[in-house]
Amino acid sequence: EPEVTQTPSHQVTQMGQEVILRCVPISNHLYFYWYRQILGQKVEFLVSFYNNEISEKSEIFDDQFSVERPDGSNFTLKIRSTKLEDSAMYFCLWGTYNEQFFGPGTRLTVL
Amino acid sequence: QKEVEQNSGPLSVPEGAIASLNCTYSDRVSQSFFWYRQYSGKSPELIMSIYSNGDKEDGRFTAQLNKASQYVSLLIRDSQPSDSATYLCAVNPPGGNEKLTFGTGTRLTIIP
Repeated sequence: EPEVTQTPSHQVTQMGQEVILRCVPISNHLYFYWYRQILGQKVEFLVSFYNNEISEKSEIFDDQFSVERPDGSNFTLKIRSTKLEDSAMYFCLWGTYNEQFFGPGTRLTVL
Repeated sequence: QKEVEQNSGPLSVPEGAIASLNCTYSDRVSQSFFWYRQYSGKSPELIMSIYSNGDKEDGRFTAQLNKASQYVSLLIRDSQPSDSATYLCAVNPPGGNEKLTFGTGTRLTIIP
């Protein structure tokens, strides 16, 4: 049973549009992460979020990306102006630096 | 650039045999090592973690770590068709850094 749910499961958008991907924890976790996996490629770290603040972000996580926890529950990843190369599976992870567990993922398709 | 290398496969193993998956990493001071299993179209599932040199066994799975050689492996005994999946190696550097660096994964096929 996953500890987080992700919505939507599949998002199709036009290039240049904003998307918001949501991660809803079932249990009360302090650590959250966003990773992505472009089809056929390796899983890549985007950002880590601890105690409602960004603790680390990768070079992929540029100004087009943002994360927040608007209501203390949902954990969102926003892409402001999507590009074709943003098409990927986006995974929310929970856990600690010792163990990280994947949510079911959101497939983002940018047309 | 910190790298994690895996043989992409595919690796084909007869049912009942031992599957051996290998992973090398470039950051000598890495401290935590993980194996994830990913079925096609699904999210990765954590199956093993290892932090100390030596072997760690969990059911049919054994993780082996050799920090001197910067090498971590996963052995699957009595391989089953349900073990057919892509196995991802992930490494966490020291210092409380939460970022996992993943390899490209090895695709394993168990032949009935």
